[in-house]
Amino acid sequence: NAGVTQTPKFRILKIGQSMTLQCAQDMNHNYMYWYRQDPGMGLKLIYYSVGAGITDKGEVPNGYNVSRSTTEDFPLRLELAAPSQTSVYFCASSRDSIISGANVLTFGAGSRLTVL
Amino acid sequence: AQSVAQPEDQVNVAEGNPLTVKCTYSVSGNPYLFWYVQYPNRGLQFLLKYITGDNLVKGSYGFEAEFNKSQTSFHLKKPSALVSDSALYFCAVSGNTPLVFGKGTRLSVIA
Repeated sequence: NAGVTQTPKFRILKIGQSMTLQCAQDMNHNYMYWYRQDPGMGLKLIYYSVGAGITDKGEVPNGYNVSRSTTEDFPLRLELAAPSQTSVYFCASSRDSIISGANVLTFGAGSRLTVL
Repeated sequence: AQSVAQPEDQVNVAEGNPLTVKCTYSVSGNPYLFWYVQYPNRGLQFLLKYITGDNLVKGSYGFEAEFNKSQTSFHLKKPSALVSDSALYFCAVSGNTPLVFGKGTRLSVIA
């Protein structure tokens, strides 16, 4: 019962470098999300997807890109890393519709990214 | 736009005492309200939710939450706190968009 798997768990980047955070779920969930967590700020939604081939911006999408070529995978790409992107990133998935009260999210363990 | 406020950054309570973690919300239409818990170096875990019906919702690990429409609140409660309840607690709301989370409240239960 893997649930939501995120890799890598930790990464240090230099300013201007690029990288992809991987996220995979094995629950056949249609809905997937990327959040970032900063101390004292809670979780902010970066991007989400309602199904393969469909993505949409969340509250803080600048500096990030996503793709959803399969139901299982939802990678998050940072093209030009900046210190402001130092954060803990969480991927999540849900079975039910975003506008459904049954929309319970299952979270991955997180990826801690530091940009120096 | 929907929003959630958790007015306390930190709540300290003695083991065995009742605990309350506060949450107020703002949303157009009927709210869907959630509580999640985060243990150190882990992702968030679902605790309970309110969709409709009974204002008192029971969830995992003995937690419950009371929905109060007139005060737009959804406070998390537990009758008797355990040291193992020490964690970061997030309130979240959903209307017709993805979940919006509060800033979190750190609960510390002291033996």
